[in-house]
Amino acid sequence: EAGVAQSPRYKIIEKRQSVAFWCNPISGHATLYWYQQILGQGPKLLIQFQNNGVVDDSQLPKDRFSAERLKGVDSTLKIQPAKLEDSAVYLCASSFRTGRLGGASNNEQFFGPGTRLTVL
Amino acid sequence: DAKTTQPTSMDCAEGRAANLPCNHSTISGNEYVYWYRQIHSQGPQYIIHGLKNNETNEMASLIITEDRKSSTLILPHATLRDTAVYYCIVRVAGNQFYFGTGTSLTVIP
Repeated sequence: EAGVAQSPRYKIIEKRQSVAFWCNPISGHATLYWYQQILGQGPKLLIQFQNNGVVDDSQLPKDRFSAERLKGVDSTLKIQPAKLEDSAVYLCASSFRTGRLGGASNNEQFFGPGTRLTVL
Repeated sequence: DAKTTQPTSMDCAEGRAANLPCNHSTISGNEYVYWYRQIHSQGPQYIIHGLKNNETNEMASLIITEDRKSSTLILPHATLRDTAVYYCIVRVAGNQFYFGTGTSLTVIP
């Protein structure tokens, strides 16, 4: 089966510019996640969607970051305006369902290759 | 907040077992432990997960202590392709993953 697709793979912009990333999850996966991974650190969840609704965006810097998943399939993450500290890899992941706490099923998250953003 | 603590780096000889420890002392009774690995310039890849019983699949084994405060990922016969950063993750409500900083495993020929 096709994996999670992301584009672009690399992006270089200057500070104060805007940038958008695109993600197409695995077909049939209801839940979609955006993560930020700063060099040398583990991924940090930014936002989680269930179909086209937001489940959790508590870690999303809403003054400059926005994300949408209008039709419940693919998603875009936007940064406007970018800062130097936004340089990171932005990972998209999807899972079949959110899963209830303690559920026995494997709610494995499948990750895309990421978009490496460099802000100069 | 990361819910796991792992050593920063480890080395393992090719063909030997790699044992990667993880502490998750604040884990709740219904939170799962997941292990993922990330090879340079790729997204994280699922390895294995468990709740309280030991688990084994074609890639690895997961040993969880009885009090569930720590676990060990075992790669039985490490190869050069196993060189990667390994993340021990606690899965909380809503299928959310909390990644730590991971262990960089280097398999030495």
